[in-house]
Amino acid sequence: GNSVTQMEGPVTLSEEAFLTINCTYTATGYPSLFWYVQYPGEGLQLLLKATKADDKGSNKGFEATYRKETTSFHLEKGSVQVSDSAVYFCALSPSNDYKLSFGAGTTVTVRA
Amino acid sequence: NAGVTQTPKFRILKIGQSMTLQCTQDMNHNYMYWYRQDPGMGLKLIYYSVGAGITDKGEVPNGYNVSRSTTEDFPLRLELAAPSQTSVYFCASRNAGPDGTQYFGPGTRLLVL
Repeated sequence: GNSVTQMEGPVTLSEEAFLTINCTYTATGYPSLFWYVQYPGEGLQLLLKATKADDKGSNKGFEATYRKETTSFHLEKGSVQVSDSAVYFCALSPSNDYKLSFGAGTTVTVRA
Repeated sequence: NAGVTQTPKFRILKIGQSMTLQCTQDMNHNYMYWYRQDPGMGLKLIYYSVGAGITDKGEVPNGYNVSRSTTEDFPLRLELAAPSQTSVYFCASRNAGPDGTQYFGPGTRLLVL
């Protein structure tokens, strides 16, 4: 079946530090891959996505590259800010299904 | 453009009471979803719908019911509330194309005592 495994948190960083959150997946075919972000007390927002191998999604300084050979979609940001404190979810949408499979989420806290 | 809206934002129920969580989207999306998120956990799919009049169970449907009489609305019904249903509930929608992006509402926080 389809599944997503992401790095367990929580992760605590200082401002301007480098952030990476690992995400690997299991799926048949060619799924679309997503990173969603959930700020405290809010719903999930799409952060970035990639729909085919070697695509790079980017938004708000975050990047992730769809690596089919390693079945990975790691999230990175070069210099985090306090406002990046949130829960980050990796997700996949199979090519033959309409449902999303989510990872467990990684809580990131950035300290000034 | 409101996107996905949910009401109420917060509700306290007594054990055995019933309620309906409302979800409306104005993007003309065919697909709609209900998830629950327990503290410190990811999202679990309760029910989903691929169009008006069509619904199907997700991972954790027990204790819930849904209906989809219009494209815009997808209410979630709790018939006999139990403490195990204390959670945050999110509604989401997407279009029928290959994109796969789901758009989420702000959530309803439910406490069953």
